[in-house]
Formats: sequence, structure tokens, C-alpha cells
Amino acid sequence: DAMVIQNPRYQVTQFGKPVTLSCSQTLNHNVMYWYQQKSSQAPKLLFHYYDKDFNNEADTPDNFQSRRPNTSFCFLDIRSPGLGDAAMYLCATSNFRGNSNQPQHFGDGTRLSIL
Amino acid sequence: GNSVTQMEGPVTLSEEAFLTINCTYTATGYPSLFWYVQYPGEGLQLLLKATKADDKGSNKGFEATYRKETTSFHLEKGSVQVSDSAVYFCALIYGGATNKLIFGTGTLLAVQP
Repeated sequence: DAMVIQNPRYQVTQFGKPVTLSCSQTLNHNVMYWYQQKSSQAPKLLFHYYDKDFNNEADTPDNFQSRRPNTSFCFLDIRSPGLGDAAMYLCATSNFRGNSNQPQHFGDGTRLSIL
Repeated sequence: GNSVTQMEGPVTLSEEAFLTINCTYTATGYPSLFWYVQYPGEGLQLLLKATKADDKGSNKGFEATYRKETTSFHLEKGSVQVSDSAVYFCALIYGGATNKLIFGTGTLLAVQP
């Protein structure tokens, strides 16, 4: 089945130790998104790629970076995780076709814990 | 600006009860409207969608109708099950923004046997 896959499902890292979360998709969608979701809150968009074009949200901390080496893969890098970065990180994709509003498809998320 | 307002949760119902979760929106132009569901420990799943006024989205017994005159997209189900317990997010996409979603705050539904 075509889908959005996030690895790992659970990630534990130490305070200040860089961590990378990965996302892959078999939908061949041209847009990939990264969200941060804290308990009992809606997902918060961090950034997205439209093809190779990176689009950062204005309030995303510099500590968060992303890479999209090809259509299928996208990575979220947290350079120096703090305790406040513990959250669920969600990857999503969609197919943007100009004036047509296509839904986003989400992966199951990676739950990040900071020790 | 564009925004989505959902009713506060949690909503607690007995099995087979009727469900309504209210959602209203503010948007310029003609947004598309969505309901996503998030089961515990999982990502978001698209439940249903509507792309223009008077469209009715439906899936798994859930329905919602795009009402432009009241700027609403209320979620309904005639008979809920314990397995429907989850968080429900109302959301919109407005044109020209690479399908960026504007989410409501989410409504937790707890269905008791």
C-alpha cells in the first residue's frame, strides 16, 4: 500500500545530542511537511518542502533543520535537543496542483523523548 | 486571517449515542474542509473532506456538510462505538498555499460501553 513511513516510532536522545528523524513516502507527492505535536494540542507546522524548495515557518527555532535528498525521503534534524523538544513529530505529504486543495497524508509519527 | 474553531472537549458518550462535534471556520475565498482523526499513539488519518459549498463528506458512518452560509462543517455520527474513541481535528486548506492545513484545537471523544 502506498503510504508515509516514519522511523523510528520511538526515539530517545540525550539533552544536547543531535538527533535525526526520517520519513519516506511511496505516494510520489511533491510536498512533504514536518509537524511537532505536544500532548493535547494540534500539530504545529515546522516547515515543508515543495519539490526541492524549502519553506520554513516564521516561528520555527533554528535548532530544527530539514533535508530532502529526493522525492521519497525527508529528514528532520534537531541540532541540540532541549527538554522542551520532547514531542510527537509527524511527517505528512500532499500533491500540490496549483488551485486544487489536496489533503495531506500523515505517517504514524515518531515520539521523541529527551533524557 | 484563516482559522478553525472547534467545540471544547472532552466529549463523553455512551455506545450507540448520537455524536455531533461542532466546527466553524473563518477564511477568505473558498477553502476545502477536512476532518482528521487521531487514535492514541498514532498519526492523523483523513476521515472525510468537502471541497465546495453544500458538499457532504462521509466515511465510516461519519458525515459532515460544508455550510458556507454558516461557515460550519460539523461532524456527526448516528451511533458511536467504543472504537471511535479518539481525537478529532477539523481543518481547512485555502488555495495557493501548497496545501497548508489550518487545524482546530481538536476534540477528544471518549465512548463508554
